[in-house]
Amino acid sequence: ILNVEQSPQSLHVQEGDSTNFTCSFPSSNFYALHWYRWETAKSPEALFVMTLNGDEKKKGRISATLNTKEGYSYLYIKGSQPEDSATYLCAFHTGFQKLVFGTGTRLLVSP
Amino acid sequence: NAGVTQTPKFQVLKTGQSMTLQCAQDMNHNSMYWYRQDPGMGLRLIYYSASEGTTDKGEVPNGYNVSRLNKREFSLRLESAAPSQTSVYFCASSELAPANYGYTFGSGTRLTVV
Repeated sequence: ILNVEQSPQSLHVQEGDSTNFTCSFPSSNFYALHWYRWETAKSPEALFVMTLNGDEKKKGRISATLNTKEGYSYLYIKGSQPEDSATYLCAFHTGFQKLVFGTGTRLLVSP
Repeated sequence: NAGVTQTPKFQVLKTGQSMTLQCAQDMNHNSMYWYRQDPGMGLRLIYYSASEGTTDKGEVPNGYNVSRLNKREFSLRLESAAPSQTSVYFCASSELAPANYGYTFGSGTRLTVV
């Protein structure tokens, strides 16, 4: 059974703080690593899909890095805003049409 | 653009009742998936359909059946609902090779079995 771990489980920051969270995954049979943003009462939305070791992706104030050799990815949010409050999911893709999801990091940004 | 549409949004069933959750996508995606979300657990794959005409079991298939009716539609059936199937169910779709695009999720169905 593949295990995808995310830390921390939850995070509470003030508006303007920068923050980061970690996703750990198996370093073998790697195909892709996905990041999703999941707002309360909505459905998960894809942020990034990363496939190559050393990949860095950026969307506005959010960026992600990938290390497939050691099996981790970081998600960074620069200058957090209240609208960034959400659960951030990572998911490991082995190439067999299946994503294995972590349990997510719940971020709360206070004004 | 609708994306992935799931019905119903909410449902309460009595133990032993049956029901079908419907999912349709309008993005011409080849692959479709059913996940369940339980507190403290990640999204867990119930069944998936890599392409029209094929279905395969995921991590937690027991108690469920699926039908890939056509390229657009993928339904999930509970033949005899049990309280352990109380959960939020998400349908998702993707291109055959989702590495560049990610999954598109429906808005979820909150199911309670009493």
